Amino acid sequence: AQSVTQLGSHVSVSEGALVLLRCNYSSSVPPYLFWYVQYPNQGLQLLLKYTSAATLVKGINGFEAEFKKSETSFHLTKPSAHMSDAAEYFCAVSDQVDDMRFGAGTRLTVKP
Amino acid sequence: KAGVTQTPRYLIKTRGQQVTLSCSPISGHRSVSWYQQTPGQGLQFLFEYFSETQRNKGNFPGRFSGRQFSNSRSEMNVSTLELGDSALYLCASSLGQGARETQYFGPGTRLLVL
Repeated sequence: AQSVTQLGSHVSVSEGALVLLRCNYSSSVPPYLFWYVQYPNQGLQLLLKYTSAATLVKGINGFEAEFKKSETSFHLTKPSAHMSDAAEYFCAVSDQVDDMRFGAGTRLTVKP
Repeated sequence: KAGVTQTPRYLIKTRGQQVTLSCSPISGHRSVSWYQQTPGQGLQFLFEYFSETQRNKGNFPGRFSGRQFSNSRSEMNVSTLELGDSALYLCASSLGQGARETQYFGPGTRLLVL
């Protein structure tokens, strides 16, 4: 069965600093991987997804993630944090067998 | 193109009552999935419908049910509500079925059970 682990339920960075949100997955078959962002009182918005076309995936709002099969990781990064990036971020995995599974989420705080 | 809409946005019910939530997918999308989001359990998959048929079901009791209509709109029903059913219920639509399909989420319905 597939699963996702997000390391760190809370991450705090200063404005302008690098954002790194960690995600490790477990899947018995090649997975599809997603990062979603959730702002308060809103649904989830897709940031980016990996579907095996390229290991480095660029998403919206300057975010990108790199698929590393050897590490079973799909960490989300952004070179320079902006105040508007403060939100909760979810990593999700989907494969040919199971439904989409989400990680527990990482709340990102951006300090001025 | 309009996004996924969910009604109502907020709902207050008492234990033992039942509730029906509605989801209208993005035009042209045929797959609708439902999720429950709580602080303790996070995001959990409820079920998925495609072309009016339930294709997948999560690990929830039979009190949770759903259906999909010919226009792809979907409803979710919870009977005999319990306090623990208080949650944000999210609906997501996608163009088709399958692992690589991107799911687009609605704003959710926040249910409070008293």
